[in-house]
Formats: sequence, structure tokens, C-alpha cells
Amino acid sequence: AQKITQTQPGMFVQEKEAVTLDCTYDTSDQSYGLFWYKQPSSGEMIFLIYQGSYDEQNATEGRYSLNFQKARKSANLVISASQLGDSAMYFCAMYSGGGADGLTFGKGTHLIIQP
Amino acid sequence: DAGITQSPRHKVTETGTPVTLRCHQTENHRYMYWYRQDPGHGLRLIHYSYGVKDTDKGEVSDGYSVSRSKTEDFLLTLESATSSQTSVYFCAIRRDTSNYGYTFGSGTRLTVV
Repeated sequence: AQKITQTQPGMFVQEKEAVTLDCTYDTSDQSYGLFWYKQPSSGEMIFLIYQGSYDEQNATEGRYSLNFQKARKSANLVISASQLGDSAMYFCAMYSGGGADGLTFGKGTHLIIQP
Repeated sequence: DAGITQSPRHKVTETGTPVTLRCHQTENHRYMYWYRQDPGHGLRLIHYSYGVKDTDKGEVSDGYSVSRSKTEDFLLTLESATSSQTSVYFCAIRRDTSNYGYTFGSGTRLTVV
């Protein structure tokens, strides 16, 4: 079975600073995928970024990048130049194997950006 | 968004009553999922479906049943609602893309009193 661990329940960051949200994972499968989702106070789950286990380069999507360290089984999300609108819950998630049985989520990190 | 509609969006029900939540998709995806979200737990998988009449249990399936008689609809039933089933319920679909593109509905907030 797979497991996701997010060790930061909450974080306060000054606007315009870079933010790193930690995520470690555990799986015995060689093929897996890692995701980050954002959940603002309105409640919807917004896809941010994806990294496949065989991808050699770290994924990037605009201000988001995923620092993938396979040997350490970590998949940290980096947000550059944080904005007030980045305040939200952030969830790390993964599928393993064929992915048919859905995603396994971490417990989330509540990020608050301060002006 | 992404053709996923959950209904109702909010519901208050009494302990012991049956409740059915509906997830409707317009994009003909094979895989559909039901999750519940509780503070301190993230999202946890209840049941999933890999086709019409093909379903399987997730991590927290006790007290829940599902049905999928049509590709577009995935129903979650709380057979006899309990206060511990007060939660936000999310439906999701998996796309046939390289990253599977899991996409979530807007959620149903269920309160059992």
C-alpha cells in the first residue's frame, strides 16, 4: 500500500517569498505518479502539478515546480514569488501501479501568505 | 468544470436515514471515485468504479455502498447515516491521459444530526 506524509500542518510566509511544501511518499511500485492539489477556502480541488516516476526532469507549471528526489522518496512543491491568493490548503497525492484504484492523499498543509 | 456535477451540494439529514449522493459526468470516463474529506485526514477513498456495474472498495468503505448502472452516473449511498459520516464528499474521474488527470467535482457537504 502507498502512503503520503506531509509534515507541515501549517505555514506562514511573507508575500513574494518562495515557499517549499514538503511531501514524502512510500510505495513498493516502480511506476507511480505524484500530484499536488490546491484547495482554497471555497473548497474545490485544483490540480497544480504532476510528476511521473520515470520523468527525469522536475515538473514545472508557471510559478509551481516539483522538487522530485526519487532516492529520498520526496516530492516537494515549490511556489516561487508567493501571492496572497496562494493562501489555501495544499495536498500531495499519488497513484501507484496502474492507478485504477485512485489517489492516496496526504493530510495537507495549510499555507497562509501574509502581506 | 470538467463535466462533473455533484448533487446535492449541501444536505442535512437525520441519524438512521438513508442518503444517496449523485455524481454525474458528461465525458464518458471509465473510472470514477468517491472520497470523503475530514479535518486532519485529507481525502480518503470510499469506493471506486472501473466501469458499468464494476465497483470496488476503498480505504473507508464501511457504511457505504455504490452503484453504477450508467457510465455517466456514480451513486454513493449511506445505508443508515451516522454522525461519523458528517463530511465533505468528493467525486472524481480519471482521464485517459499520460498523467491520468484526476479531476474532482465541487463536493457535497453532508451533515448528519
